[in-house]
Amino acid sequence: QQPVQSPQAVILREGEDAVINCSSSKALYSVHWYRQKHGEAPVFLMILLKGGEQKGHDKISASFNEKKQQSSLYLTASQLSYSGTYFCGTEKGGADGLTFGKGTHLIIQP
Amino acid sequence: DTGVSQDPRHKITKRGQNVTFRCDPISEHNRLYWYRQTLGQGPEFLTYFQNEAQLEKSRLLSDRFSAERPKGSFSTLEIQRTEQGDSAMYLCASSLVRGRDRGIQYFGAGTRLSVL
Repeated sequence: QQPVQSPQAVILREGEDAVINCSSSKALYSVHWYRQKHGEAPVFLMILLKGGEQKGHDKISASFNEKKQQSSLYLTASQLSYSGTYFCGTEKGGADGLTFGKGTHLIIQP
Repeated sequence: DTGVSQDPRHKITKRGQNVTFRCDPISEHNRLYWYRQTLGQGPEFLTYFQNEAQLEKSRLLSDRFSAERPKGSFSTLEIQRTEQGDSAMYLCASSLVRGRDRGIQYFGAGTRLSVL
C-alpha cells in the first residue's frame, strides 16, 4: 500500500526550514528518501532502518517512528538547490522493491 | 564508477511494436530493480533481481513484460505489443546486499517511452 506524503507542495524562501512527512498503514522495515528534479534520476538522500540505523547525507536529517510507521525529513536553512520533488519509499521486508509516495513538491525562492 | 546507466534515454514507438531497454548497474551491485514512473507520480516497482535470479515481480508486470539479467550484470526489460498505457519513464536502480551502503538503491536517469 502506497505511503501518504504531506504536504503535497511547499514554497519556501531561501534559508527557511521545511518538514516533509511520510506515513504508512503497514509495518515497515525501512524508509528511503529521494529528491528528484524534473527530467532527472531520483537522488538518494537518506535511509532509515527498523532498529534505529540511519545512513545519508550530512546536511539532511530524518526520523522514523517505528510504532507509528511514520517518517519525517527535515530540511534546514534551505538552499535553492533543494528545489525538487521529494519521495519517500517504504520497504516491508529486507529485500523488497520500494513502494513510493506521490511526492512533495518543494520550491525554494531567492 | 559512473553510476547506473540506461539505454536508450528516449524511445518512441508505435502501438503494437516490441521495445527493449537496457540497464547497466553500478559495478559489483548484486541487486537490480526496475520501476516505472508516470507524470506526477512516484516510481512504481516492477521487478528485481539478485544476481541473475529474478526474486520478485509486481502485479503491475503483465505478461507482455519480461526482464532478464542473464549473467548477473546488465539487465534488459522487454515490452511486447506495446500499448499507449505503457508510455512512462522506466527507471533502473541497483544496490548492494552487504557492506556499509547495503540496501541503498541508486537510480539511473531512465528511459522515457512514448507509444503513439
